[in-house]
Amino acid sequence: DAKTTQPNSMESNEEEPVHLPCNHSTISGTDYIHWYRQLPSQGPEYVIHGLTSNVNNRMASLAIAEDRKSSTLILHRATLRDAAVYYCILRTYSGGGADGLTFGKGTHLIIQP
Amino acid sequence: DSGVTQTPKHLITATGQRVTLRCSPRSGDLSVYWYQQSLDQGLQFLIQYYNGEERAKGNILERFSAQQFPDLHSELNLSSLELGDSALYFCASSNLGSNYGYTFGSGTRLTVV
Repeated sequence: DAKTTQPNSMESNEEEPVHLPCNHSTISGTDYIHWYRQLPSQGPEYVIHGLTSNVNNRMASLAIAEDRKSSTLILHRATLRDAAVYYCILRTYSGGGADGLTFGKGTHLIIQP
Repeated sequence: DSGVTQTPKHLITATGQRVTLRCSPRSGDLSVYWYQQSLDQGLQFLIQYYNGEERAKGNILERFSAQQFPDLHSELNLSSLELGDSALYFCASSNLGSNYGYTFGSGTRLTVV
């Protein structure tokens, strides 16, 4: 399975932008970059995903490096509700429809008021 | 409400017993995934079903089994339970293809005493 590397934790202030980095140097051409977040005692929540181009949605933006070996999740204006563990995952579409996501340890994002 | 329904929310049982966890996927999703999350292991992928057929297996023990029924709901059966099986069990659903993320349920907290 392709692996990702994320910092264990990051801290930011409320109402400031947050940039969460992810390295995936062994990414293959068919891997999509997915981001999920998990609040305490809740199931993971889909945030955003992309292949090559930068992506925006109502929750966040995803900036993908030109060589696709790294990406950055951008929360434009962090709130206390954004405090969570953020997971960067590569979704590989293998033959036969098998595509279980492999979660790493993620980045624990702390938001200071 | 994510659209993925898991029951029960909490389950307490004794060692050696057998339990069944149930998951109803989001409407229209054909794939169901089961994950186990314990404090020291993080989110571990167990198994994936697509339209009633097993498609991928992760770190699922032989004491555990799953199935997906014609109405697409899925059940995870855990038998000969041990103390170490105490964990949160999450179900997620998705469709195959590049446009979809996973939608997770709120989980079943299993406590084995």
